[in-house]
Amino acid sequence: GNSVTQMEGPVTLSEEAFLTINCTYTATGYPSLFWYVQYPGEGLQLLLKATKADDKGSNKGFEATYRKETTSFHLEKGSVQVSDSAVYFCAISFNFGNEKLTFGTGTRLTIIP
Amino acid sequence: DTAVSQTPKYLVTQMGNDKSIKCEQNLGHDTMYWYKQDSKKFLKIMFSYNNKELIINETVPNRFSPKSPDKAHLNLHINSLELGDSAVYFCASSQAGGPAYNEQFFGPGTRLTVL
Repeated sequence: GNSVTQMEGPVTLSEEAFLTINCTYTATGYPSLFWYVQYPGEGLQLLLKATKADDKGSNKGFEATYRKETTSFHLEKGSVQVSDSAVYFCAISFNFGNEKLTFGTGTRLTIIP
Repeated sequence: DTAVSQTPKYLVTQMGNDKSIKCEQNLGHDTMYWYKQDSKKFLKIMFSYNNKELIINETVPNRFSPKSPDKAHLNLHINSLELGDSAVYFCASSQAGGPAYNEQFFGPGTRLTVL
């Protein structure tokens, strides 16, 4: 079956540090890839997505590139802020008929001033 | 205006009770979902409805019964609650066509605690 493996957390960084959160997937075919973010006490929000190989999704300074060869979609940000503290979820979905999102286990990120 | 709303926000109840969680979306979406997030933050889909019709049912115990009175509402009824049902339950909605084309919008969650 389809699955998503994310870097174990929690991750703690200082403000302005470089962030990478690793995500790899196992799937039959070529899914669309997503990063969702969950701020404390809130529901999930779509952060960025990529729907085909070599696509780069970007939003709020975060980026991730769809790497078909390595089945990966690592999340990066060049300079994190305290307001980026949240739980980040990698997810996959297939475009044809099945609208299900399959999530990774989430990575809790804490940024210290 | 809240796009996807859930009630209640917190629910504490005893084992064996029956409870319901309500969800409403005012986005005009065709498709609604229920997700369960366990204590380790693992998030898994439970059900999906499109225009009041069940389209995804992910091997959830039949103690859980979703009900969609209209396409703006998807309620979750749970019978004979068990300790393992303690979790945060998220409702979401989107237009039909899959997450690649249509973003899923999530509600704020309902934290269910079974004692």
